[in-house]
Amino acid sequence: ETGVTQTPRHLVMGMTNKKSLKCEQHLGHNAMYWYKQSAKKPLELMFVYNFKEQTENNSVPSRFSPECPNSSHLFLHLHTLQPEDSALYLCASSLVAGGPPDTQYFGPGTRLTVL
Amino acid sequence: DQQVKQNSPSLSVQEGRISILNCDYTNSMFDYFLWYKKYPAEGPTFLISISSIKDKNEDGRFTVFLNKSAKHLSLHIVPSQPGDSAVYFCAASGNNNDMRFGAGTRLTVKP
Repeated sequence: ETGVTQTPRHLVMGMTNKKSLKCEQHLGHNAMYWYKQSAKKPLELMFVYNFKEQTENNSVPSRFSPECPNSSHLFLHLHTLQPEDSALYLCASSLVAGGPPDTQYFGPGTRLTVL
Repeated sequence: DQQVKQNSPSLSVQEGRISILNCDYTNSMFDYFLWYKKYPAEGPTFLISISSIKDKNEDGRFTVFLNKSAKHLSLHIVPSQPGDSAVYFCAASGNNNDMRFGAGTRLTVKP
């Protein structure tokens, strides 16, 4: 049990579908992150939320829309995706973002395939 | 612009021997470095970290070395065990906690 859970674990969607990824952390952290991991590439930071406020959008296309209703939950809403968006999407949390560096803890990821 | 690089995509080591995984970075503002381990179908798991004020941190079989002048860090695992077989990611961050990851090194420990 990593303390960070993600659902669904696998998702197949068409380019015209709308779906959402969910992340929940049980660690009492205040910062949450979305990362994208494509095959044989480094993890790419997508979004950062600190105390429910978005503090970073790393030039992510608008077809990805994050939502953070509280410090424990993070969503990634997906619409009109492209096949190249197929990847592993990882959620992470840490105590605080923007302060002294601290360790991020990851969920198991959602394997997304866009047909 | 890849600020953290792991130049070896894979490494194979005999059980009981030392595994050395290497990582280079380019941003001199990084001051906190981490290693994560990832098994298939799981998210990365935090393994060990080091602050830039240190040059070595040890936790059981795992030791991380930091050479700031060379912008290089390494992870030593000794003795290596078959259960250590996984992908290892190096990560670095500065004051804004914007963490950058390397592409990973797949370690295989042979029995």
